Amino acid sequence: DGGITQSPKYLFRKEGQNVTLSCEQNLNHDAMYWYRQDPGQGLRLIYYSQIVNDFQKGDIAEGYSVSREKKESFPLTVTSAQKNPTAFYLCASSMDRGYEQYFGPGTRLTVT
Amino acid sequence: AQSVTQPDIHITVSEGASLELRCNYSYGATPYLFWYVQSPGQGLQLLLKYFSGDTLVQGIKGFEAEFKRSQSSFNLRKPSVHWSDAAEYFCAVGPAFSGGYNKLIFGAGTRLAVHP
Repeated sequence: DGGITQSPKYLFRKEGQNVTLSCEQNLNHDAMYWYRQDPGQGLRLIYYSQIVNDFQKGDIAEGYSVSREKKESFPLTVTSAQKNPTAFYLCASSMDRGYEQYFGPGTRLTVT
Repeated sequence: AQSVTQPDIHITVSEGASLELRCNYSYGATPYLFWYVQSPGQGLQLLLKYFSGDTLVQGIKGFEAEFKRSQSSFNLRKPSVHWSDAAEYFCAVGPAFSGGYNKLIFGAGTRLAVHP
């Protein structure tokens, strides 16, 4: 079955550590996205990528980094520079620009 | 500026009652419009989408939405709500141009509670 996988579902880290969240899709989609979701808030775009080896900052990119070496993969690194990293992180992909996005199940990151 | 507004943060309905969730947008042209649903701790699932053509679109789980250009609205409806419909619902509009890339803009969401 085609879809988007995110791993792990729950992630715990100590403050000051970098952590990488995985996102893989087998939908053959060109575009991929990372969102952050906090309780009672909507989705905020962190980074997005339209093609391999190219990505663009979203609305809240500070403290995050990404790579897009393969079409299927778009990992997100939450660095120690991110002041409030505890959140629910969602990865999505779409066939083309502006089309409907398909979402993974999310990763809940807790930093203490 | 392009934006999406969901005026209702929380809505509570009784099981079996009808439902309408509101979505208003600001956009310079005819947008693509979407409704998503999110159960607690899960990702978002696409309910329905509007690109062009018939302004009344049918989606999954018995939902429908109507695009009204004159009102800049895309309200989601369901004639009879089931307890399993309790979730958070997001309206989105696109494509939005930003730095040469297209993206979707999401509303803040409406949380639906269903009383038995």
